Amino acid sequence: SQTIHQWPATLVQPVGSPLSLECTVEGTSNPNLYWYRQAAGRGLQLLFYSIGIDQISSEVPQNLSASRPQDRQFILSSKKLLLSDSGFYLCAWSGRATGYSRNTEAFFGQGTRLTVV
Amino acid sequence: GQNIDQPTEMTATEGAIVQINCTYQTSGFNGLFWYQQHAGEAPTFLSYNVLDGLEEKGRFSSFLSRSKGYSYLLLKELQMKDSASYLCAVRDGGGFKTIFGAGTRLFVKA
Repeated sequence: SQTIHQWPATLVQPVGSPLSLECTVEGTSNPNLYWYRQAAGRGLQLLFYSIGIDQISSEVPQNLSASRPQDRQFILSSKKLLLSDSGFYLCAWSGRATGYSRNTEAFFGQGTRLTVV
Repeated sequence: GQNIDQPTEMTATEGAIVQINCTYQTSGFNGLFWYQQHAGEAPTFLSYNVLDGLEEKGRFSSFLSRSKGYSYLLLKELQMKDSASYLCAVRDGGGFKTIFGAGTRLFVKA
C-alpha cells in the first residue's frame, strides 16, 4: 500500500532562519507531488507541483522553493523565513490520470504546522 | 482566472440532511473532488465526479453539472463526527493541478 511521510509535525522558527520540510512517498512510482499551504481557517493554497524529478512548477511568487531530487522525495525550502510564512503545510501525492474517468484523488501527509516568530 | 466558491459555514442538526454547494470557474476541467478535513488534520478524500450526475457512497453523495460549473455534497443522517470542514477541489484541464476552495465549516448540533 502507498504511504506518505511528512516531517516535522510542528516547527517554530525565528524570522530570517532557513527552512527545510521533507516529504517522501512509498509504495508507488512516478507520482505527481504537491505542496500546499493552509492559513488558519482557510482553504488550501497550491504552492508547488511536480510531475517528475527536477520538474517543479511554482504557483505563487514567494520566498519558498521546492525540489524533487528523487522520484518519491519532495522538499520545501526557504533561505529566510518571513512572519507571513506561518501556516499549515501539506504535502500530497496523486497518481497519473490515464483516461477520462480515472480517479486520481490526492493523498495528504499529516502536515507541518510552522510558526515563524 | 480560477475561482472556487462555497459557503463559509453551515449548521445542521444530528440526524438531518445537509447540502453543501460549490461553484467553480477553472482553466479546463478534469474532475471535481470533495474532501473532509477535521481541525488540525490533513484532508481525506470523500468523492470524485468527472461526468454529470450523482455519485453515491453510503451517507455521502456528490452531484456535478459541468455546464453550470456546479457541484454539491449531500450528507445524510448527520452524526456529530461529521462536524468538519468540507473542501471542494477541481483538477484543471492539464490534469496535474488541483485547486481547492476555501472550505465549508459544518457544525452538527444535537
